[in-house]
Amino acid sequence: DQQVKQNSPSLSVQEGRISILNCDYTNSMFDYFLWYKKYPAEGPTFLISISSIKDKNEDGRFTVFLNKSAKHLSLHIVPSQPGDSAVYFCAASNDRAGNMLTFGGGTRLMVKP
Amino acid sequence: KAGVTQTPRYLIKTRGQQVTLSCSPISGHRSVSWYQQTPGQGLQFLFEYFSETQRNKGNFPGRFSGRQFSNSRSEMNVSTLELGDSALYLCASSVGTGGQPQHFGDGTRLSIL
Repeated sequence: DQQVKQNSPSLSVQEGRISILNCDYTNSMFDYFLWYKKYPAEGPTFLISISSIKDKNEDGRFTVFLNKSAKHLSLHIVPSQPGDSAVYFCAASNDRAGNMLTFGGGTRLMVKP
Repeated sequence: KAGVTQTPRYLIKTRGQQVTLSCSPISGHRSVSWYQQTPGQGLQFLFEYFSETQRNKGNFPGRFSGRQFSNSRSEMNVSTLELGDSALYLCASSVGTGGQPQHFGDGTRLSIL
């Protein structure tokens, strides 16, 4: 039973445009959500997070939106740059249960110059 | 500030052997978590240690074990290795309180022959 799903295995976007990566979850106990970027042969790099008490969090070019009623979150990257090409993972946790992250399967983003 | 350090980076073992992987967290971080990444199962949570105590455990057999030392460094042990244990093993550290992201090391690539 996949509690966190990223339904798009890949996404191709033109440089300068917006990239939108989506993530759905089923466990209503999740209250903290994160996005990570991963390059080959490296560990995931933390990008941005959001608590369930918020519906939006921004950090530079990255914005995460959370829709709790739909159990859906998305990551917007504006403007997209070729260096953003990587695999993006969303992850979720129940903060009261400690640091146990449940990951989605990842979306490979390709930003074309 | 130094990041999460994992050693060794690569390891080759044969079936039936055991292996110990090491993780040094970011200075000041008290929580260390371990994850397994495989092409088929994605990123899966193994266990979390906080202040030398196991706080959470994922759905892995008892052959997988870990410990944390008083300086927050952690080790993970896998006994009686199986071919299916071939994976990237990732360590992540965090402050340990709620609402704080985990930061990952670059992992140990374990290959079982």
